[in-house]
Amino acid sequence: NAGVTQTPKFQVLKTGQSMTLQCAQDMNHNSMYWYRQDPGMGLRLIYYSASEGTTDKGEVPNGYNVSRLNKREFSLRLESAAPSQTSVYFCASTIQDRHGYTFGSGTRLTVV
Amino acid sequence: KQEVTQIPAALSVPEGENLVLNCSFTDSAIYNLQWFRQDPGKGLTSLLLIQSSQREQTSGRLNASLDKSSGRSTLYIAASQPGDSATYLCAARYTGTASKLTFGTGTRLQVTL
Repeated sequence: NAGVTQTPKFQVLKTGQSMTLQCAQDMNHNSMYWYRQDPGMGLRLIYYSASEGTTDKGEVPNGYNVSRLNKREFSLRLESAAPSQTSVYFCASTIQDRHGYTFGSGTRLTVV
Repeated sequence: KQEVTQIPAALSVPEGENLVLNCSFTDSAIYNLQWFRQDPGKGLTSLLLIQSSQREQTSGRLNASLDKSSGRSTLYIAASQPGDSATYLCAARYTGTASKLTFGTGTRLQVTL
């Protein structure tokens, strides 16, 4: 089925460990986004890529890095995980301004 | 600052009731607004997308309206069912923001038998 695929779905890390969250879309969308969702705070933008070859910081970029590998793939890396990064991470994509977003099913990350 | 607010945070209604969920936004330079549904532990499912040039959009029992002048959008759910129980999120896309969405914190809806 067409859509946004995120891996892994669940992950537990120890403080200081690193990991990469993967996201891929097969809808030929130009723009891709990483959000985190925390209780009572809604979804907050971490990083985004308006088009292939570009990335920009969002509202809460500290502690994260991203790579737009190609038009389909946009990865989020935690270099040294901290308990404050315990959250649910969502990847999303859109083709252009007039169109809506499509979201992945999320990655539930716990940092202990 | 561009902000999106959803009140109330939680709502419980009996089955069959018609209901309205509210979404307020602070900047009238809105490009479009999208309503999502989120079930517990799941991702976001798009319900309706309404462009700034439109007044409303309809899909089945759902109707979303947009009033830029007042900074409000409403999601109307007709004849509610227990299966409608979920969290409903609205998100605004503003002009000149590289298509970034600003989300409200959601309204958690419970439809009781």
